[in-house]
Amino acid sequence: DQQVKQNSPSLSVQEGRISILNCDYTNSMFDYFLWYKKYPAEGPTFLISISSIKDKNEDGRFTVFLNKSAKHLSLHIVPSQPGDSAVYFCAARHTNAGKSTFGDGTTLTVKP
Amino acid sequence: DVKVTQSSRYLVKRTGEKVFLECVQDMDHENMFWYRQDPGLGLRLIYFSYDVKMKEKGDIPEGYSVSREKKERFSLILESASTNQTSMYLCASSFVAKREQYFGPGTRLTVT
Repeated sequence: DQQVKQNSPSLSVQEGRISILNCDYTNSMFDYFLWYKKYPAEGPTFLISISSIKDKNEDGRFTVFLNKSAKHLSLHIVPSQPGDSAVYFCAARHTNAGKSTFGDGTTLTVKP
Repeated sequence: DVKVTQSSRYLVKRTGEKVFLECVQDMDHENMFWYRQDPGLGLRLIYFSYDVKMKEKGDIPEGYSVSREKKERFSLILESASTNQTSMYLCASSFVAKREQYFGPGTRLTVT
């Protein structure tokens, strides 16, 4: 039973446009959601997060939206840049747990 | 800057060999994690540790064991390597009070 799902394995957008990456989850006990970015031959790096008590968190070009009723979150990147091309992982943390559950990842390609 | 280092970037081992993967972090993090990353399967948690000598099984612990004798070091052990353990192995660490994890660069293990 996959508790965190990223249904789009890949996404391609033009430089300067918006990238929207989506993530769905099934466990109501998740209280914190995170996005990580991974370049080839490197480990993932933390990008942005959101608590379950909020519906939006913004950091520069990156905004994460949380819809608790739909158990859905999305990462918006505006404007997209070629350096944003990477694999993006959605992760969710269970209340009072030290570990996170990761999605399968979405490969974003931003074309110049 | 947080630094998580892994003992090898690339490793080739034979079936049946005992394999040790080492991870060291320099930020006094309480939590440490071992994941494997396979195409289309995202990051899957093998084991994690929330304190010295403490460990918990993740989602796929079969065929693996771990050791944490010092706070900064977390070792993943493959007692008898098999070809289905060919994968990218990622170590991560975090503070208990914070949600984001810091990852090492990964070890690409090939078992022949």
